[in-house]
Amino acid sequence: AQSVTQLDSHVSVSEGTPVLLRCNYSSSYSPSLFWYVQHPNKGLQLLLKYTSAATLVKGINGFEAEFKKSETSFHLTKPSAHMSDAAEYFCVVSSDGNKLVFGAGTILRVKS
Amino acid sequence: DTAVSQTPKYLVTQMGNDKSIKCEQNLGHDTMYWYKQDSKKFLKIMFSYNNKELIINETVPNRFSPKSPDKAHLNLHINSLELGDSAVYFCASSQWVSGELFFGEGSRLTVL
Repeated sequence: AQSVTQLDSHVSVSEGTPVLLRCNYSSSYSPSLFWYVQHPNKGLQLLLKYTSAATLVKGINGFEAEFKKSETSFHLTKPSAHMSDAAEYFCVVSSDGNKLVFGAGTILRVKS
Repeated sequence: DTAVSQTPKYLVTQMGNDKSIKCEQNLGHDTMYWYKQDSKKFLKIMFSYNNKELIINETVPNRFSPKSPDKAHLNLHINSLELGDSAVYFCASSQWVSGELFFGEGSRLTVL
């Protein structure tokens, strides 16, 4: 069985400050991990994915995530938040690449 | 060009009615999905088709019937609509076991 826990339902940062969205996972097998972003009234878009290559994964729009097996974590970071980053972010785990299990989501608010 | 397109975008209907949502992808992917996003933004897989064959069928009431006439299309028909069916339904596509899903913009179903 696999599951994902996003530790914060809401995160609020000021524009230009770092972003940290936390995610812990549980998986019986070597997992693939993803972060997706959903802007209001839009579909989800893939930000980045980890599939057992480099543990530090770079994604679009300046986002990064680091896979830490010992901590079963896959936190999403960005050095400097932009207003356009305001959205909902989903951490996702998959053990077979086909059936994805989504976390409950973290709403990121960026203050000017 | 829209990669994954769903119609209709909004659907308001009465309890007991039957309705369909259509999805088409022009990415050449071999796998398509239906996800349901409830009012708390929790996203859960309903069905997945690979090369027109049903491969994932979660515990969804049999009032929901997906149909995939070809690899580029996956439609969702819902019979005898209930209040609890109100949600946003997302279609997605991917290449088999890549885990990288491309989502449509969603179809918001409201059952009165």
